[in-house]
Parts: sequence; structure tokens; C-alpha cells
Amino acid sequence: EAQVTQNPRYLITVTGKKLTVTCSQNMNHEYMSWYRQDPGLGLRQIYYSMNVEVTDKGDVPEGYKVSRKEKRNFPLILESPSPNQTSLYFCASSFSGAGNSPLHFGNGTRLTVT
Amino acid sequence: GESVGLHLPTLSVQEGDNSIINCAYSNSASDYFIWYKQESGKGPQFIIDIRSNMDKRQGQRVTVLLNKTVKHLSLQIAATQPGDSAVYFCAENNYGQNFVFGPGTRLSVLP
Repeated sequence: EAQVTQNPRYLITVTGKKLTVTCSQNMNHEYMSWYRQDPGLGLRQIYYSMNVEVTDKGDVPEGYKVSRKEKRNFPLILESPSPNQTSLYFCASSFSGAGNSPLHFGNGTRLTVT
Repeated sequence: GESVGLHLPTLSVQEGDNSIINCAYSNSASDYFIWYKQESGKGPQFIIDIRSNMDKRQGQRVTVLLNKTVKHLSLQIAATQPGDSAVYFCAENNYGQNFVFGPGTRLSVLP
């Protein structure tokens, strides 16, 4: 089944404790992206990747890192999480970039930072 | 800055009626638009897309209309069913690398 898989689905952590949210897609998509979803603010892009070893900042990149060492994986790293990073996070992928084909989303990771 | 917005944050319709969800966009240069459906506990699910060289596109029970003159996008759902209850987002492609998403409209289908 074609899908975007995120793990974990739920995560509770404390301020400053490094964490990684994994994302994997099995559709051989070139483009991958991370979004956070907050009430009243909609989906906002954190980082995106056009292909392996190519990443770029989205609208809200502060406090986040990403890497794209393999085509299928695009982990989101929070080196020192803070409470304002409590949010619902979505990974997404598309065949050839945001402007050419629709995004396929994972089922989300709900992160709580205390 | 550019943004995508929705006129109605909530919409309630009777089962079997048609639903119309509206969206205004501000970037006249945008050329690709998508409607997504998000059910509770799930990620956004692709419904239908349309490019700026089209005015209308139809899918199964859904139709998207694009009015570039007034920068307006709408999603029509025919014969709305209980399974259509969800939050619906429009998304506008912004210079190729990013989509701008609206806050969403919650559709409630009444029995």
C-alpha cells in the first residue's frame, strides 16, 4: 500500500531532551516536507527536500533540523525541544515537487513538550 | 503576505443535500490548487486538484470550481453523506516549493 509512515504517533517529552520523528514513504517520491498544524494557524511548512541531500527551510524552521540521506526517509530532529513546539506534525511527500503534484500526508505525530 | 482563507469555519448540511465549501486566495500568480479532507486523528487526504488553466474539474461526487477573476475556489460535494463529515482545507501553490493552507472548514452532516 502506498503510504507515508510517521513514528511515533504520540510523544511526550521534556524541555531540552533531543528527539527525532521519523518519516518514510514507499512511493519513490522525490519531494518530502514537514508541516506543523496548530489551531487557528493551519498547516505551516517547517522544512522540505527536493531530493536526496537537498533540503531547504520552509516558513517556520527555527528549532528544527532535517536530513535526507535516502530518498525514502526524511526525519525531523528537535535538538532542544521547547514548549512552543508542542504541536501536531505531519510529514508529506509528492512525486515531483509541490507545484506539480499533490502532497500525500502521513497520519501525524502529536508532540507535547513539558 | 499571501494567504489562503476560508469564508466559513463551520458548515452543517442535511444528509443528501449538496455542500459547497469556499476558499479565497490572495496570490494571483498561484497556478495549482488542491482540496484536502482531514478526518479526526488522520492526516489530510487528497480530494481533487485543479490548475489555473482550468475553471472546473469533476471527480466522484466532487467538483472544484476556480474563478481567477475574483481569486475564489470552491468545493462542491454532491449528495453529502455522513462519511463526508471532516475538516476541509484548500491549498494554494506558492512559487512552486510550498503550499499555503487555509485554516479549514468543518463540515457536519446532519441525519
